[in-house]
Amino acid sequence: DIQMTQSPSTLSASVGDTVTITCRASQSVSTWLAWYQQKPGKAPNLLISKASNLESGVPSRFSGSGSGTEFTLTISNLQPEDVATYFCHQYRGHWTFGQGTKVEIK
Amino acid sequence: QVQLVQSGAEVKKPGASVKVSCKASGYTFSAYYIQWVRQAPGQGPEWMGWINPSSGGTVYAQRFQGRVTMTSDTSIATTYMDLSNLKSDDSAVYFCVRANSGQPDSWGQGTLVTVSS
Repeated sequence: DIQMTQSPSTLSASVGDTVTITCRASQSVSTWLAWYQQKPGKAPNLLISKASNLESGVPSRFSGSGSGTEFTLTISNLQPEDVATYFCHQYRGHWTFGQGTKVEIK
Repeated sequence: QVQLVQSGAEVKKPGASVKVSCKASGYTFSAYYIQWVRQAPGQGPEWMGWINPSSGGTVYAQRFQGRVTMTSDTSIATTYMDLSNLKSDDSAVYFCVRANSGQPDSWGQGTLVTVSS
């Protein structure tokens, strides 16, 4: 199975900052990668598919990039409502997920 | 709009089985695969397998082979995930996810399964 390594596991930033989360795949997944936001007690909310396609209704401060084995999720102008855990998810083969990055406000 | 509504929380004893349902609405049920994923507390999600509701064909993750069975009933647009011989580390939230050509696009709300003696 394709392993997904996500970093950092937690990050703390100020409102208005730009934050970046990285996901590395153990082998190429092309652009078959999604990013999710998850708040406690809720299902993951799909933010980005195909590595960089922003889902309808998702604020434009979220963006994704990368291909092959290296991917990033960037949140520009961090807002208090962005406090959540973020996961990457490859769907090139049998699905696998990153372990998550918890984003906090300083 | 596309909706996947799952059955309610379950509490089971070790060695028992649990059956979680996922009722679809808002789209042609047989046209999209359903994948099942679980998430233990504080962990990333873990893929369990998928079912093609049209044919009933399934693929299961190796670690669940022999313990998981996924079925579908097209007459009521519902998919089921049955996990047997439950252990304490099967305690998790279980999600069904619609897959559009392999790409995830809609998640159920999740079903909490607690395994405790």
